[in-house]
Amino acid sequence: DIQMTQSPPSLSVSVGDRVTITCRASQTINSHLNWYQQKSGRAPNLLIYAASNLQGGVPSRFSGSGSRTDFTLTISSLQPEDFATYYCQQSFSIPYTFGQGTRLEIK
Amino acid sequence: EVQLVQSGGGLVQPGGSLRVSCAASGFIFPRDWMHWVRQAPGKGLVWVSRINPDGNTVGYADSVKGRFTISRDNAKNTLDLQMNSLRAEDTAVYYCVRGQLVGTVMFNDYWGQGTLVVVSS
Repeated sequence: DIQMTQSPPSLSVSVGDRVTITCRASQTINSHLNWYQQKSGRAPNLLIYAASNLQGGVPSRFSGSGSRTDFTLTISSLQPEDFATYYCQQSFSIPYTFGQGTRLEIK
Repeated sequence: EVQLVQSGGGLVQPGGSLRVSCAASGFIFPRDWMHWVRQAPGKGLVWVSRINPDGNTVGYADSVKGRFTISRDNAKNTLDLQMNSLRAEDTAVYYCVRGQLVGTVMFNDYWGQGTLVVVSS
């Protein structure tokens, strides 16, 4: 199975901050990398697919980059509604493994 | 509007069986891959299973292989997950999820509301 390692596990941030979350795959996954946001008690929401493509309806402050094994999710200017947990997921081969999540907390 | 409405779930004893279902609407169900993803209380997301549009190709996580069966009824626009030989570690919220393909990249763009399955004596 492909292991996905996300960092950091949590981040204490303020509104307006630039936030970067990283995700590393244990083997090359080309651009088969997706990012999700999950708010407490709710289903996840797709943010980015295929490493860098913004899902429709997602604010442009979210962006994704990377390929092969190293990927990043960037939030250019954090808004109050962005405090949530973020997960990466590889869809290169089954099982489609997720990272362990990055929780954004209010500083 | 795409909707995935889940039903089933609940409390079951270890070794027991349970079926969770998902009714899809607002899109052409027979064209899309479907998945199940679960989340244990306070834990992260775990991919469980997938099925292709025709229903003749399935895949499972090793942790559920041989115990869980994914199926779909394209005439009724429904997706099911039959869970047998349940264990305490299967306790989780189970999500029904639509899969989309762009080129060769699969991603999950719509999620059901989640169904809680508790395995306990």
